[in-house]
Amino acid sequence: GNSVTQMEGPVTLSEEAFLTINCTYTATGYPSLFWYVQYPGEGLQLLLKATKADDKGSNKGFEATYRKETTSFHLEKGSVQVSDSAVYFCALITKTSYDKVIFGPGTSLSVIP
Amino acid sequence: EPEVTQTPSHQVTQMGQEVILRCVPISNHLYFYWYRQILGQKVEFLVSFYNNEISEKSEIFDDQFSVERPDGSNFTLKIRSTKLEDSAMYFCASTQLQETQYFGPGTRLLVL
Repeated sequence: GNSVTQMEGPVTLSEEAFLTINCTYTATGYPSLFWYVQYPGEGLQLLLKATKADDKGSNKGFEATYRKETTSFHLEKGSVQVSDSAVYFCALITKTSYDKVIFGPGTSLSVIP
Repeated sequence: EPEVTQTPSHQVTQMGQEVILRCVPISNHLYFYWYRQILGQKVEFLVSFYNNEISEKSEIFDDQFSVERPDGSNFTLKIRSTKLEDSAMYFCASTQLQETQYFGPGTRLLVL
């Protein structure tokens, strides 16, 4: 079946450090891939997406590249800020099952000054 | 920018009581969803709704749950007789083209 695996953390980084959160997926067909972010006490916000192989999604300094050969969609940011502290969810949706987003378990990130 | 809204933000109820969670999807969207997230766990799909009927539901979505679009703007999730294990954050989502789903801020439900 379709699934998403990601490093669960928690991840603690100092401000301005480089961030990588690994995400790999298993899916039938060619899924669209997403990163959602959940700030403390808030809902799920779409951070970025990529809909086909080699696409790069980017937003607010975050980037992720859809790698079909390694079935991965790792999230990166060159210099994190305290305000980036949140839980990050990798997710997919397949073209044969539009009805549901499949989420990874989430990675908690804490950025300390 | 249009967004999905949900009310209430928090709900506390006694076991066995009925609750209705409300959502206002983005106005030109056609597909609507409910998900839940038990504290510290993964976000799980509950149900999808299109053209005034359920298009898919998960094993979690048993006879105690129902969804309705009573008018042109609201989308509701009803739990008929709440159980302790229904305590969770419930997210509504909507989409226009069955791809990128936009989520509301969630309703935190606590069943005592």
